[in-house]
Amino acid sequence: NAGVMQNPRHLVRRRGQEARLRCSPMKGHSHVYWYRQLPEEGLKFMVYLQKENIIDESGMPKERFSAEFPKEGPSILRIQQVVRGDSAAYFCASSPPGHSFNEQFFGPGTRLTVL
Amino acid sequence: DQQVKQNSPSLSVQEGRISILNCDYTNSMFDYFLWYKKYPAEGPTFLISISSIKDKNEDGRFTVFLNKSAKHLSLHIVPSQPGDSAVYFCAAHDGSGNTGKLIFGQGTTLQVKP
Repeated sequence: NAGVMQNPRHLVRRRGQEARLRCSPMKGHSHVYWYRQLPEEGLKFMVYLQKENIIDESGMPKERFSAEFPKEGPSILRIQQVVRGDSAAYFCASSPPGHSFNEQFFGPGTRLTVL
Repeated sequence: DQQVKQNSPSLSVQEGRISILNCDYTNSMFDYFLWYKKYPAEGPTFLISISSIKDKNEDGRFTVFLNKSAKHLSLHIVPSQPGDSAVYFCAAHDGSGNTGKLIFGQGTTLQVKP
């Protein structure tokens, strides 16, 4: 039973480019969460999705950021026109159906560097 | 506003001794608290949790204590081992919302010296 998969593990983009981060949840998990960790800080919640639905996007910046979790395939976090301040580690977590917030399993993260 | 605070950025203890990591919170609607452990270049790994209706939960070498009146929780690791060296995050769930989002503290780096 593979864990949460994230790719790429490292991503380098120049200012103004787009970044696409992928997350494949654990088998049987239908809930996906995205968190961002800036240097020297804790993880900050961004968005919570279930299949084909955004449940809570209260932590996501209103502009340039979007997330989806389609019926088939991985969840995607998309950052348009990246800026240096977007440089961070982005972690995805998944949990089984139900409010299993205590069963969030994290992926290894994608480290985004914006030049 | 930082709703979950870990005021000690780092902690160093000797192998075999007790490690005590502290966490304070401000939101009385938090109904569940979790501790995660994180190694460099890896994602956080769940360690132990506690419901707000309890004041203690124990799992092997790890015990979490919750003091609701003080809005304070702590993680005790005894005996500490070098492999415990990692960053420890305290996290809380807000029971007032219909969401599974967790609110994390800034983390405490634990170093266990052989």
